Amino acid sequence: EVQLLESGGGLVQPGGSLRLSCAASGFTFSSCVMSWVRQAPGKGLEWVSGISGSGDTTHFADSVKGRFTISRDNSKNMLYLQMNSLRAEDTALYYCAKGCTPGGYWYFDLWGRGTLVTVSS
Amino acid sequence: EIVMTQSPATLSVSPGERATLSCRASQSVSSHLAWYQHKPGQAPRLLIYGASTRATGIPARLSGSGSGTEFTLTISSLQSEDFAVYYCQQYNNWPLTFGGGTKVEIK
Repeated sequence: EVQLLESGGGLVQPGGSLRLSCAASGFTFSSCVMSWVRQAPGKGLEWVSGISGSGDTTHFADSVKGRFTISRDNSKNMLYLQMNSLRAEDTALYYCAKGCTPGGYWYFDLWGRGTLVTVSS
Repeated sequence: EIVMTQSPATLSVSPGERATLSCRASQSVSSHLAWYQHKPGQAPRLLIYGASTRATGIPARLSGSGSGTEFTLTISSLQSEDFAVYYCQQYNNWPLTFGGGTKVEIK
């Protein structure tokens, strides 16, 4: 079965760090671009970060640039998001999403169910 | 950053009726526009990419149109499973951006 399963969310204090993981299965992971997309409580979707299939190229939203790092381990079919200097506004449900698309375009044909990150003292 | 604006924010429609959702980009995104459906507690689902190409398994009653800055998602005859929140996303420029969403609710 093709699926994405996020983990690593939890409650963290402002200024703290957290590492999210996404386990991929059922497809050729290294062929797909991957992204993290978040949804704050009561809000819409916000793209956070993306990484190419090889891991050579990464992109970040301005709101997380310099604080978050995205990486992948193609030997383990795993995607990661290292989140440092967390703020209250980073509180959200974080989704892992894949894009195995003709032409390598950055839209997402499969999403996970998300992992919740709460930043609060 | 390209700002994506969706309208209306909420659309009240009776089952069997037609629903028309709009998405506007602050600058041209060519045809690099995707639509997603999102239900509470579920993963978002890709509906349309390339502005008008249906994703695998998406029924023909859903259709997308437009290019440049103006896009439309049409659901020709609403079924119970279509009541959800719909998002557009541009993938023409970095950063990737989503619209604020349109909630389609039962009238």
